[in-house]
Amino acid sequence: DGGITQSPKYLFRKEGQNVTLSCEQNLNHDAMYWYRQDPGQGLRLIYYSQIVNDFQKGDIAEGYSVSREKKESFPLTVTSAQKNPTAFYLCASSFGRATGGVRGNQPQHFGDGTRLSIL
Amino acid sequence: DAKTTQPNSMESNEEEPVHLPCNHSTISGTDYIHWYRQLPSQGPEYVIHGLTSNVNNRMASLAIAEDRKSSTLILHRATLRDAAVYYCILIQGGSEKLVFGKGTKLTVNP
Repeated sequence: DGGITQSPKYLFRKEGQNVTLSCEQNLNHDAMYWYRQDPGQGLRLIYYSQIVNDFQKGDIAEGYSVSREKKESFPLTVTSAQKNPTAFYLCASSFGRATGGVRGNQPQHFGDGTRLSIL
Repeated sequence: DAKTTQPNSMESNEEEPVHLPCNHSTISGTDYIHWYRQLPSQGPEYVIHGLTSNVNNRMASLAIAEDRKSSTLILHRATLRDAAVYYCILIQGGSEKLVFGKGTKLTVNP
């Protein structure tokens, strides 16, 4: 079955440490996204990528970095510069403009999330 | 980003229809209306979306007002598995970005 897989499900970070969250999809989607969710809040966009080797900052990109070397993969690194990293991180994917998708007309498919905590 | 307004919470009884409202008075002509729902500790799940006409799928129906300033998600027969936070989101025609508000927490009573 096609889907989007995030790992690990739980992750702990020490002070001054960088950690990388994995996101893989086999839906043949061009566009991928990373969101952050704090308790009782909606999701906020961190980074997104519409095509391989290209990505854009979202609303809260500071302290995070991404890469998009393969269509299927969009890892997120939470760097030591992110002073409040404790949150639920969600990855999503969709058909994008590269496949002729109409902007705004593409549902996003989400993974089950990674919960990051500070030790 | 275009803004939506939803009630913080709603309650329904099992097997009854549920109408979840959303106001989006600043919607522009190219904004799509999307609905997602989220269960605790899970990623959001796509429910339905539309532009101008009412839409139906296996999960729900979406009724869009003629002036597009409001919409209603309709669950025809609520089940306990429909208890979730429901998000109404506008996606601008020039963007793939989802901008989430706090959504409506739906409680379904047995």
